[in-house]
Amino acid sequence: DAGVTQSPTHLIKTRGQQVTLRCSPISGHKSVSWYQQVLGQGPQFIFQYYEKEERGRGNFPDRFSARQFPNYSSELNVNALLLGDSALYLCASSLGTGGGDTQYFGPGTRLTVL
Amino acid sequence: SQQGEEDPQALSIQEGENATMNCSYKTSINNLQWYRQNSGRGLVHLILIRSNEREKHSGRLRVTLDTSKKSSSLLITASRAADTASYFCATGIRGSWGKLQFGAGTQVVVTP
Repeated sequence: DAGVTQSPTHLIKTRGQQVTLRCSPISGHKSVSWYQQVLGQGPQFIFQYYEKEERGRGNFPDRFSARQFPNYSSELNVNALLLGDSALYLCASSLGTGGGDTQYFGPGTRLTVL
Repeated sequence: SQQGEEDPQALSIQEGENATMNCSYKTSINNLQWYRQNSGRGLVHLILIRSNEREKHSGRLRVTLDTSKKSSSLLITASRAADTASYFCATGIRGSWGKLQFGAGTQVVVTP
């Protein structure tokens, strides 16, 4: 069975640009979460979606937005990129039973902002 | 902010030895999950322990949870060079649905 997939693998952008990251969950999983991992730190929660509805939002500015599609895939958008947005962006999927699920992570998208 | 704090930050051992790392957290949890990460790649799920459980095993892994002390430990027995990675604990906070809060991780190096 395919695991969580993310695209692209790597991305280089310049300050002020916008970026869209994509995630496909494990088949049968209805919840997708996004995390940002800066080098040397643990992942930080950005968003969680379940059945196309936002279920949680972390402490990130409004430049960060996300959505979930009817097929449960998801996109993370970041506008007006800053140097500090350079990080590994991780997507995780779970069944979505409300807090007790195992979350399975994809390989991540490495974003570099110059 | 980081919910969990792993200890030690780094651990260097030889193949065949056991590796133990600890995680402390601050608030009430639904569950605690341990993950492994190799060289900045995706996280691999190792084990989930629920708040009403005290110990779980999976292969060479043993996880304990003490909710009264708000702490957990991960033991890797008979370590191998392939166990070299960063290990993270992540807590599922009660009332926050599926959000996970991660610590900064323990870097483990296993030398042959």
